Amino acid sequence: KAGVTQTPRYLIKTRGQQVTLSCSPISGHRSVSWYQQTPGQGLQFLFEYFSETQRNKGNFPGRFSGRQFSNSRSEMNVSTLELGDSALYLCASSWGDRGLWEPQHFGDGTRLSIL
Amino acid sequence: SQQGEEDPQALSIQEGENATMNCSYKTSINNLQWYRQNSGRGLVHLILIRSNEREKHSGRLRVTLDTSKKSSSLLITASRAADTASYFCATDASGNTGKLIFGQGTTLQVKP
Repeated sequence: KAGVTQTPRYLIKTRGQQVTLSCSPISGHRSVSWYQQTPGQGLQFLFEYFSETQRNKGNFPGRFSGRQFSNSRSEMNVSTLELGDSALYLCASSWGDRGLWEPQHFGDGTRLSIL
Repeated sequence: SQQGEEDPQALSIQEGENATMNCSYKTSINNLQWYRQNSGRGLVHLILIRSNEREKHSGRLRVTLDTSKKSSSLLITASRAADTASYFCATDASGNTGKLIFGQGTTLQVKP
C-alpha cells in the first residue's frame, strides 16, 4: 500500500510570493492534517480536513489555507510568504472516523525555504 | 503552544544500551502517542497508549503512562545504531480529531 505522498519535496520562494503544497493520503484515508515543523517552534498543527470539510484549525494567520478534494487529496496554500514561513511542512492522513484512537501516517514533507 | 515537554532534549548512548525518554503534558488526555523522525523524513508512529492504560509494549519499546503526574516515558531496550532519530510524544487535544499536540522531542544518538 502506497504511503502518504507530498510534492514537491523541496521548494525555494522569495518573500511576497505564494506557494501551494500537495498531499496524497493513503488510499481510503479521509482525514488529512497539516503540520509546520521549525527548529524554534517544533511541530505545530495547521489544520485538518475530513471529507472535503475543514474539521479543525490551528492558530495560524489567514495566509495559510487549505482544501481537500473528493479523492481526499489535499493542498495547502500560503500567500504573501514571509521569512518565518521557512519550515518543513508535513501532511498526515488517517481513516478519520476513529478520532485520535488511530495513528497518523505522515509523508516526508515539503521543505520550504524563503529567500 | 506545546502540550508536551520532553526530557532529555538530547541523549547519546552506545549500541546495546537502553534509552529512556520522558514526556510531560499539561491537560487531560484521551491517549498519548510516540513517534520517531529520522533526519529529513516524516514521522513514523511507534505506539499509542490510552489514558486508562499504564504500560504498553511493542517489540523493544516499552511505554508507561502516569495520568496522575501527567507524564509518560519511552524505553528502547538493546538500542541499535538504526534507532538514531528524534522521538516525539503527542497528545490529543481533548478529543479533537486529527489535531495532535507534540512535544519538542528528544534527539537520540546511538553510537555503534
